[in-house]
Amino acid sequence: GQSLEQPSEVTAVEGAIVQINCTYQTSGFYGLSWYQQHDGGAPTFLSYNALDGLEETGRFSSFLSRSDSYGYLLLQELQMKDSASYFCAVLAYSGAGSYQLTFGKGTKLSVIP
Amino acid sequence: GAVVSQHPSWVICKSGTSVKIECRSLDFQATTMFWYRQFPKQSLMLMATSNEGSKATYEQGVEKDKFLINHASLTLSTLTVTSAHPEDSSFYICSASPSTSGSYNEQFFGPGTRLTVL
Repeated sequence: GQSLEQPSEVTAVEGAIVQINCTYQTSGFYGLSWYQQHDGGAPTFLSYNALDGLEETGRFSSFLSRSDSYGYLLLQELQMKDSASYFCAVLAYSGAGSYQLTFGKGTKLSVIP
Repeated sequence: GAVVSQHPSWVICKSGTSVKIECRSLDFQATTMFWYRQFPKQSLMLMATSNEGSKATYEQGVEKDKFLINHASLTLSTLTVTSAHPEDSSFYICSASPSTSGSYNEQFFGPGTRLTVL
């Protein structure tokens, strides 16, 4: 089975930097994704790491260490609109040529002025 | 590109009725579609994986006779909640993976359907 751990809540100030960590236990690991979800909305894809290292996309960066089963999402120059829930999700091979995403419980980020 | 739609966006129904939710990939073909359920302030839980032209694969604990999934074409999958009860009230979200994608991380999510069973 798969299990993921991430903090339930984080609060940060507008303009600051925040890091959301994710640790996972899984079999058939393929990669780690991050999704953003605003209240009442659907998840939107932010990033995906299949290899160790840092991937940067604008203000958001994501890091993966496969040996440590650990990753993080880094948000820079925080804006009020970044207040949302952030989910890490493991993409893993589930057999018969199929892959599945398993989501963590989400981290609710609150950006304050 | 890569837009997934769901219909309806929200539905309120009486206990005991059946509700059908459609998930469509609008500008790509999707061999595989996924159905998730999300209760308030909780994570997305995978219910089933739907493959075009074959039976869906259900996750442990999900009743296949209650949540009927049909994936009749490469652009449409439907989830029917049969004999819905208040405990089935939830946010149902589908995602689709492009058939031509060589990278399985490409899942595009629909906007979700909020089901309320009275």
